[in-house]
Amino acid sequence: ETGVTQTPRHLVMGMTNKKSLKCEQHLGHNAMYWYKQSAKKPLELMFVYSLEERVENNSVPSRFSPECPNSSHLFLHLHTLQPEDSALYLCASSLQGGFTEAFFGQGTRLTVV
Amino acid sequence: QKEVEQNSGPLSVPEGAIASLNCTYSDRGSQSFFWYRQYSGKSPELIMSIYSNGDKEDGRFTAQLNKASQYVSLLIRDSQPSDSATYLCAVKTSGTYKYIFGTGTRLKVLA
Repeated sequence: ETGVTQTPRHLVMGMTNKKSLKCEQHLGHNAMYWYKQSAKKPLELMFVYSLEERVENNSVPSRFSPECPNSSHLFLHLHTLQPEDSALYLCASSLQGGFTEAFFGQGTRLTVV
Repeated sequence: QKEVEQNSGPLSVPEGAIASLNCTYSDRGSQSFFWYRQYSGKSPELIMSIYSNGDKEDGRFTAQLNKASQYVSLLIRDSQPSDSATYLCAVKTSGTYKYIFGTGTRLKVLA
C-alpha cells in the first residue's frame, strides 16, 4: 500500500460508545495530523505529532484522545461524543523541516447519533 | 481577521475558459503555500505548492504568489467539467507544524 490510509471510512456511533479511528502512512513521513472538517468551516487542526511526540493540541475536548505509537501510525480514540462531533475526520502526514507538503488520507465520515 | 481567506463561491466558468481562484493570508511569516482540490465527499488532494514569489506552472495549473501583497492564486486553463470541485488554499510558516486552511472556493465548470 502507498500513501495515507484511514479506517474505517464510515462510522456511526452512539453517544455512549467508544471507538477508534486509525491512520497509517507509507510515505516515510515523520509528522502526522488529525483534522476535522465540518460543513462550511475550514479544516480545523486537532492534533499534530512529530517524531511520535504530540506538538500541537488545539483546545480539543478530552472526549477525543490521540495516540501515536510510531511514526507510521496514528489513532484517534473517541468516547462519549456529541452529535455536533459528526464530521469528516482527516488524517495527514508530512516531512517536518523545510518546505514540505501534507498528504491526506481518505477520511472517516463520523456520524454521532 | 481570518488567517486564510477565500471567496466561497461558487465560481462558475464555461468549459475551456480560465478559472481564477484567489487566496489571501494574514501571517507575513508564511513561507509555504499550497492548493488542494477536494471533490464532494472526498479528501483534499494536493495540486500545487509554491514557495517563492512569481508563477509556477504545472500542466493546466499555474500558481501565483505575491508575498508583499500576501496573496496567492491558482489559474486553471482550459477548464474541464472534471475540474468542478472545492479548491482549498493552505499556508504554512517555517518552523511550525501547522497547515492553515481557508474555507475553500467551490468551482463549477459548465459544459
